[in-house]
Formats: sequence, structure tokens, C-alpha cells
Amino acid sequence: AQSVTQLDSQVPVFEEAPVELRCNYSSSVSVYLFWYVQYPNQGLQLLLKYLSGSTLVESINGFEAEFNKSQTSFHLRKPSVHISDTAEYFCAVSERGSGGGADGLTFGKGTHLIIQP
Amino acid sequence: GAVVSQHPSRVICKSGTSVKIECRSLDFQATTMFWYRQFPKQSLMLMATSNEGSKATYEQGVEKDKFLINHASLTLSTLTVTSAHPEDSSFYICSAYKTSGYNEQFFGPGTRLTVL
Repeated sequence: AQSVTQLDSQVPVFEEAPVELRCNYSSSVSVYLFWYVQYPNQGLQLLLKYLSGSTLVESINGFEAEFNKSQTSFHLRKPSVHISDTAEYFCAVSERGSGGGADGLTFGKGTHLIIQP
Repeated sequence: GAVVSQHPSRVICKSGTSVKIECRSLDFQATTMFWYRQFPKQSLMLMATSNEGSKATYEQGVEKDKFLINHASLTLSTLTVTSAHPEDSSFYICSAYKTSGYNEQFFGPGTRLTVL
């Protein structure tokens, strides 16, 4: 079984400032790691994922996350945030297998990123 | 991308009645769909994995006779909450797994169920 901890339920940040959203996981097996974003009144969207290879993964809108196996972490960062980044961010894991996503996900409780002008 | 819809978006029902929620992949076929449940200020909890043409696989603690899942086609999975009670009130979210070029789950917008 896996578990995901997002310690910060809410993170307020000024526009153009950097941000880090923390995610730690616990698992007895190897896992795949994901970050999802949920904008107001919309469904979850995949932001980025780590399946294998380079431990630093990037999204098209400037976010990045680094898989740290020794610290069992997958923190999400962005060097400069925008008002449009205001959303709920969920970290998730799934058991490493052949699917790379065809397994049910275990989610953290989410972090509400609030961008202040 | 890929689009997943859910219907209805909101439903209110009386205790003891059954409610059906539909999850559709609009522009792709999905052999695997998932159903999640989210309580206020809590994370999404996986309820079951729905496989087209076969029985759903339920997570531990989820009553399969309470939450009936049918995946009759490659674009439709349904979740029926039978004999609903107030404690079943929640936000239900489905996802569909797309393999071709994506290998990821696409999520529906969710259904808010309120049982009076």
C-alpha cells in the first residue's frame, strides 16, 4: 500500500515569486509519481509525471519536480508564478508496473496555491 | 488531449433511492476507467477499477453491492449508488486511461451527490 503526504493545505505566494509545493510518499514497492492540477470548476489535469530516467521532470508551463528516492519526495517547484497558476495541486503515486498509469492512483490531500498580486 | 465527461454534475436524492452516474470518454476508447471519491478537504480515494467487458475490481473497504459499476462499452462506465444514505454524500470522480500516445488517466469533472 502507498500513502502520500502534502503537508501544506494552502500556500499563498506573491505573483512572480518562486514556489515549492511539498510531496512525500510512503510505499513498500517502487512507484510512479504524478502531479495533477485542478483549476476552479474543472477536472484534474496531469501536470507532470515521473516514470523512469531523469529524476527532474518538467511541464510545459514552467513547473518542475524532482524525484528524490532517498527522501521519498517529489516536490513541485516553479521559479516565478502567475495569477493563472491559482489552483489546487495534487500529488499522486501508483505502483510501478507495466502500465505506467493504468493503475489506480493514491492521492495526497492537495495544496491550494493562492497567488497574490 | 482527451475529454472525459460525467453526468450528472450534481444530483440530490432521497435516502433509500438509487443514483446512477455516467462517465464517458468522448474522443477516445478506454478499456480501463477508475472511480474515485472525494470528501471535503480530503484526498481522492480510489474506489474501484472498471474494466470493459469484465467485473470491476474494488478497493478494500468499498462495498461492491453498494456501488455497482458497469463498463459495458469502451467509452462508458457507470457507477450506481444503491439505497443511498446521507453518508454516501460525496464528490465522485471518474478517470479514463488512454493508451495511444498518452499512457495517462484523464479525469472527468466530477459529480456532487447529496443524499437527504
